[in-house]
Amino acid sequence: GNSVTQMEGPVTLSEEAFLTINCTYTATGYPSLFWYVQYPGEGLQLLLKATKADDKGSNKGFEATYRKETTSFHLEKGSVQVSDSAVYFCALRGGNTPLVFGKGTRLSVIA
Amino acid sequence: NAGVTQTPKFQVLKTGQSMTLQCAQDMNHNSMYWYRQDPGMGLRLIYYSASEGTTDKGEVPNGYNVSRLNKREFSLRLESAAPSQTSVYFCASGRLAGGNTDTQYFGPGTRLTVL
Repeated sequence: GNSVTQMEGPVTLSEEAFLTINCTYTATGYPSLFWYVQYPGEGLQLLLKATKADDKGSNKGFEATYRKETTSFHLEKGSVQVSDSAVYFCALRGGNTPLVFGKGTRLSVIA
Repeated sequence: NAGVTQTPKFQVLKTGQSMTLQCAQDMNHNSMYWYRQDPGMGLRLIYYSASEGTTDKGEVPNGYNVSRLNKREFSLRLESAAPSQTSVYFCASGRLAGGNTDTQYFGPGTRLTVL
């Protein structure tokens, strides 16, 4: 079945550091890929998505590129801020099925 | 436009008690979902409803029942709560029939503790 593996946290960075959170997936066919973010005490919000190979999703300075050859969708940001501290979830959807999530990566950014 | 709303926000139960978690969406979405979130486990799907009148089991359905009351509302019931059901529960909605590009929208969650 479909599955998502993302790097375990927690990840702690200083403000303005470069961020990468790795995500790889296993799926049949051509899934869509998503990154969701969960701020403390809140539900999940869509951060970005990509629906086909080589697509790049971007939002709020975050980017991720759908790489079919490496089955990856790594999240990057060039300069993190304290306000980016949150839990980040990689997810995929194949066909008309519900989202399948990774286990989440907690990011803490310190000033 | 409130999006996805959940009640209650917090609940404490004793083992064996029952309760129903309520979820409603005002985005005219066809599909609705219940997930649970546990430390180190990410989000796991309990049940979902692809459209009004249908429900399907997800990854962890045991100990739960659901009702799709109408297009807007999807409730999750614990008939006899167990400590293993201590978790944060999230409801979500989406179009689903829009294909795999469709986004799911999440409620704020219900934090449940079973003693």
